[in-house]
Amino acid sequence: IAGITQAPTSQILAAGRRMTLRCTQDMRHNAMYWYRQDLGLGLRLIHYSNTAGTTGKGEVPDGYSVSRANTDDFPLTLASAVPSQTSVYFCASSDRVNQPQHFGDGTRLSIL
Amino acid sequence: GQNIDQPTEMTATEGAIVQINCTYQTSGFNGLFWYQQHAGEAPTFLSYNVLDGLEEKGRFSSFLSRSKGYSYLLLKELQMKDSASYLCAVEDSNYQLIWGAGTKLIIKP
Repeated sequence: IAGITQAPTSQILAAGRRMTLRCTQDMRHNAMYWYRQDLGLGLRLIHYSNTAGTTGKGEVPDGYSVSRANTDDFPLTLASAVPSQTSVYFCASSDRVNQPQHFGDGTRLSIL
Repeated sequence: GQNIDQPTEMTATEGAIVQINCTYQTSGFNGLFWYQQHAGEAPTFLSYNVLDGLEEKGRFSSFLSRSKGYSYLLLKELQMKDSASYLCAVEDSNYQLIWGAGTKLIIKP
């Protein structure tokens, strides 16, 4: 079934540790996105990539990095996790702008 | 700054009609999306408006007025499975989505 796969589904992590959240899509979409979703707040864009080989910063990029080596994969790395990064992280993709974004099932991350 | 406003929570009765409003102030406008998100799940696309007027899709309709910075999602013949959060998102001048916090819709029998 075509779609977006995120891994892990959930993770508990000690503060200061490095963590990479994985995201893979098989729809050959050009654009990919990473959001965080916190209670009472809307989805907030962390980083995005309009096409393979390019990335850009969203609303809340500090403490996160991404890479887009190919069309399918868009990993998100927390270099040194802090408790404020406790959140649900969603990866999404779209064929192009003005098109709906398709979301993965999310990664629930707790930083202690 | 950019801002999307939606009611936090609404309650409606099974079989009835409910309208969820969304007002926005963004740097540019390239379209408005509505998504549905069940608790613990990913958002799923419902509708897209870029021109003024009403878009109908089965039991769901979405309306847009660009001059008023206003949209609504209309849900008819409510079913228990419609209990979810409904997210309004505007595509700004940089083609990035700005999201509202969502409206939690509770359906009562």
